[in-house]
Amino acid sequence: AQKITQTQPGMFVQEKEAVTLDCTYDTSDPSYGLFWYKQPSSGEMIFLIYQGSYDQQNATEGRYSLNFQKARKSANLVISASQLGDSAMYFCAMREGYSGGSNYKLTFGKGTLLTVNP
Amino acid sequence: DTAVSQTPKYLVTQMGNDKSIKCEQNLGHDTMYWYKQDSKKFLKIMFSYNNKELIINETVPNRFSPKSPDKAHLNLHINSLELGDSAVYFCASSHRLAGHGTQYFGPGTRLTVL
Repeated sequence: AQKITQTQPGMFVQEKEAVTLDCTYDTSDPSYGLFWYKQPSSGEMIFLIYQGSYDQQNATEGRYSLNFQKARKSANLVISASQLGDSAMYFCAMREGYSGGSNYKLTFGKGTLLTVNP
Repeated sequence: DTAVSQTPKYLVTQMGNDKSIKCEQNLGHDTMYWYKQDSKKFLKIMFSYNNKELIINETVPNRFSPKSPDKAHLNLHINSLELGDSAVYFCASSHRLAGHGTQYFGPGTRLTVL
């Protein structure tokens, strides 16, 4: 079973509108972290936002917020007021727990390609 | 100024050759990683080192050999390159117990095997 599922291969949004990118995860570990990364066409991986499994509040970083629904095991990324420069591939990733080697790797979803239209 | 750097950015080589990719981080992190991104953009962990000790070797062929001379450097040597090794290789680093263990990535090395 996939540990990270991103069901939207591609999404389109109009400039200045908000968009939600979906991510569901699967783990039995009570301690885990969820991350979102952005990969523009230039290829670099840019860290956007982090949510810990014990965090009570949804994470926010500027125009990025994470809609964390623990019972549903979802960690959707919300981008407000989309800009042309937001066009990129977006990856959801999970780090599981702190036991053994599990905390030393990120497991990635397949990504969502976001296109912002003018 | 660069946090995680990799050299070279592009690598084009023939099948059967041996090549190396170098990675350096100046963030003071104690853990470094190699990830492979395939042609479908899927990212997968290959290796992880903590304080120069190999922690993760994720079913990677033994033609791939990582080496960590110190905490700031993690190199990847690939022997007898095959067509299927063509991919983008990312180095990353983190602090195991600080900053939520957030991993910061280098710019990637695009390897093309002909």
